Amino acid sequence: QKEVEQDPGPLSVPEGAIVSLNCTYSNSAFQYFMWYRQYSRKGPELLMYTYSSGNKEDGRFTAQVDKSSKYISLFIRDSQPSDSATYLCAMTRVFSGGYNKLIFGAGTRLAVHP
Amino acid sequence: NAGVTQTPKFRVLKTGQSMTLLCAQDMNHEYMYWYRQDPGMGLRLIHYSVGEGTTAKGEVPDGYNVSRLKKQNFLLGLESAAPSQTSVYFCASARPQTDNEQFFGPGTRLTVL
Repeated sequence: QKEVEQDPGPLSVPEGAIVSLNCTYSNSAFQYFMWYRQYSRKGPELLMYTYSSGNKEDGRFTAQVDKSSKYISLFIRDSQPSDSATYLCAMTRVFSGGYNKLIFGAGTRLAVHP
Repeated sequence: NAGVTQTPKFRVLKTGQSMTLLCAQDMNHEYMYWYRQDPGMGLRLIHYSVGEGTTAKGEVPDGYNVSRLKKQNFLLGLESAAPSQTSVYFCASARPQTDNEQFFGPGTRLTVL
């Protein structure tokens, strides 16, 4: 069983829709929770990260963490065609040597059509 | 600033051939990483380095070697390529204080026939 599960999609929505992207995890040792965005043929870039349970908002994006359910979500309001990308959730736990290791979900491909 | 750059962008190898992927960063980051990305598998850590002259194994290190002779460069070597190493390879770098934020290069698409 993978430590982090993410529905690969694809998810297709009309412009202006609210998008909900989700990941579940099995390891309660995860400390930080992140969302990376990856455009086609590009490297991932960090979109948001959070440490505690609850919501964190940044413009049209809201990251939500529920540690009791081991579930994280990313909401995109007023989605735009420029949001079309693959969204990767990632979580960290301490690796050997005391360094943080990122564990990535498989990514959800999102397409926002005009 | 160029950020993280990777060379080459594409490569096709035959089984058994060797090659080296080069990663360079100009952000003076201590930490550097090599990942591979395969469909349905997400990004998996191959090797990483927490400083010049130091390297360590990640999640899937078999068949790969790395070197970090200079702080700004991190090399990934395939000594004898296999079709199972067909993948997209990403290099990333980070500061120790904020290593949750990794900065990724554009990737190298490698096909092994």
